[in-house]
Amino acid sequence: KNQVEQSPQSLIILEGKNCTLQCNYTVSPFSNLRWYKQDTGRGPVSLTIMTFSENTKSNGRYTATLDADTKQSSLHITASQLSDSASYICVVRANRDDKIIFGKGTRLHILP
Amino acid sequence: SQTIHQWPATLVQPVGSPLSLECTVEGTSNPNLYWYRQAAGRGLQLLFYSVGIGQISSEVPQNLSASRPQDRQFILSSKKLLLSDSGFYLCAWSINGGIGYTFGSGTRLTVV
Repeated sequence: KNQVEQSPQSLIILEGKNCTLQCNYTVSPFSNLRWYKQDTGRGPVSLTIMTFSENTKSNGRYTATLDADTKQSSLHITASQLSDSASYICVVRANRDDKIIFGKGTRLHILP
Repeated sequence: SQTIHQWPATLVQPVGSPLSLECTVEGTSNPNLYWYRQAAGRGLQLLFYSVGIGQISSEVPQNLSASRPQDRQFILSSKKLLLSDSGFYLCAWSINGGIGYTFGSGTRLTVV
């Protein structure tokens, strides 16, 4: 069964600290993986997208990694800011039927 | 450039009343269109998707229906709302065969 599991479910860190969010998936055959940031009450906004051959991709203070062998991805946030408080959703796309599978997200709270 | 519009942003409706949420896409042709629901503390759930005018696929049985009267217009409807229909509704689009999804800003529906 195609699934996307994210951890932790929620995370609280102090402003300026780094953090890493995890995404494990069982989607097969794999097409691509995307990390979204969703502010409360808003639609998700894409941060990074990674295909099978890509291991690392950065977008400012956000760095995503992908290990297609172990089917794991991480999103690392460097020098967190208060505006990073949001839900971060991992989304994996299957190659065969064009279905996309959403993780339930990690709720990140940045404290001043 | 492509943009997606979704309205209204918030909606409060009484139980038993009808519903109509509209989503339109600009700057592209023949997009795949999607309606998602996000209940509080839950992940995104795919409700409907459409690969063309008049072509609607439903992912889960529910009190809602969808229609695509024009290439870039996707409408989510209900004849009689239930309390359980409350949630955050997101419209999204993708290029047929493309690798990314773009979300609208969402509609917060509260059924009272």
